[in-house]
Amino acid sequence: KAGVTQTPRYLIKTRGQQVTLSCSPISGHRSVSWYQQTPGQGLQFLFEYFSETQRNKGNFPGRFSGRQFSNSRSEMNVSTLELGDSALYLCASSLASLAGVSGANVLTFGAGSRLTVL
Amino acid sequence: DAKTTQPPSMDCAEGRAANLPCNHSTISGNEYVYWYRQIHSQGPQYIIHGLKNNETNEMASLIITEDRKSSTLILPHATLRDTAVYYCIVRFPQRNYGGSQGNLIFGKGTKLSVKP
Repeated sequence: KAGVTQTPRYLIKTRGQQVTLSCSPISGHRSVSWYQQTPGQGLQFLFEYFSETQRNKGNFPGRFSGRQFSNSRSEMNVSTLELGDSALYLCASSLASLAGVSGANVLTFGAGSRLTVL
Repeated sequence: DAKTTQPPSMDCAEGRAANLPCNHSTISGNEYVYWYRQIHSQGPQYIIHGLKNNETNEMASLIITEDRKSSTLILPHATLRDTAVYYCIVRFPQRNYGGSQGNLIFGKGTKLSVKP
């Protein structure tokens, strides 16, 4: 079956601009979570969407937002870009929400969208 | 918050077993341990997970101590293609939907270098 698809794979923006990244989960997966990866901070959790609702949120400013559509595809948006937003943005999909209280829940990651802010 | 501690780097000879340790001393009773790996600039790849018992699949084995405070990922016959950063992750459940804390914490991982 098809994996998690992220678009675009690479993009370059300038400070102050905004960017929208897209993530198509594995068919049947209802949870999509987003992560930022930088050399200095490693892989950090941004937020999770499940059934079109944000279920979990990491410690990022409000400039980072997202949404999920009825077909489980998700987008994340970063407004007023800063140099420090340059990173690899990863999404992952899973059957159950990360907020589930029990049970295993394997994440499948996409290849990522590499954002460079100049 | 549950979190993990891993050595920053390890070397392993090709064909030998690679044993990657992880400390998760604050793990609670219903939290699973997951292992992922990331080859340079690609998305992390799932390897294996476990709760209490040791687990084995086609990629690796996972040994969890009886007190569950630590675990070891074993790659039985490491190849050059196993060179990657390996992440040990403990998932803790969020008790309230819409919580303000992310519930997946990735540490820095262990950079495994498999050498010929």
